[in-house]
Amino acid sequence: EAGVVQSPRYKIIEKKQPVAFWCNPISGHNTLYWYLQNLGQGPELLIRYENEEAVDDSQLPKDRFSAERLKGVDSTLKIQPAELGDSAVYLCASSLVAAPYNEQFFGPGTRLTVL
Amino acid sequence: QKEVEQNSGPLSVPEGAIASLNCTYSDRGSQSFFWYRQYSGKSPELIMFIYSNGDKEDGRFTAQLNKASQYVSLLIRDSQPSDSATYLCAVNGGAGGGNKLTFGTGTQLKVEL
Repeated sequence: EAGVVQSPRYKIIEKKQPVAFWCNPISGHNTLYWYLQNLGQGPELLIRYENEEAVDDSQLPKDRFSAERLKGVDSTLKIQPAELGDSAVYLCASSLVAAPYNEQFFGPGTRLTVL
Repeated sequence: QKEVEQNSGPLSVPEGAIASLNCTYSDRGSQSFFWYRQYSGKSPELIMFIYSNGDKEDGRFTAQLNKASQYVSLLIRDSQPSDSATYLCAVNGGAGGGNKLTFGTGTQLKVEL
């Protein structure tokens, strides 16, 4: 079974530029998550999707971040414009159903560097 | 008070010893608890989950949960150098509901030859 796929793996941009990250979850997983992980910290949830619906985006900085999951499968996270403080690893995860006992599986992440 | 607390370490143990990793959480309504292993430069990898009080064993790993004390731990028996990584404790459920994981900052484990 293929795992969560993310691209690109690495991205270097200058501040004020836009950037987009793509995620394809494990087949059949209807719940998709985007996390941000800073160095030395645990992942922090940005947004959670159940199928096409964003059910928890309370931690997403909506002035510059946006996300979509149009067909309930793959998802894109965008930052526009990027700031120096956005440098971090962006992780995508998926789970089979949105329930407390269901495990989340992470993709390899996209390491963003903003210069 | 942080929602999920872990000692950042590093925790150093000799090869073959038992490594004990600890985690406390603040939300009494939390329902399930996860341990992820993260190698440097890699993404978190799920190694154990537990949702009932007591012990759960899987190979060399044992997760222990005490909801009354709001405490969860991970024991690694016969530690190997390949176990050297950061171990993240994550808590699910609670007041926020849904399938939201709240992570601790992780404990760095070093298994020495």
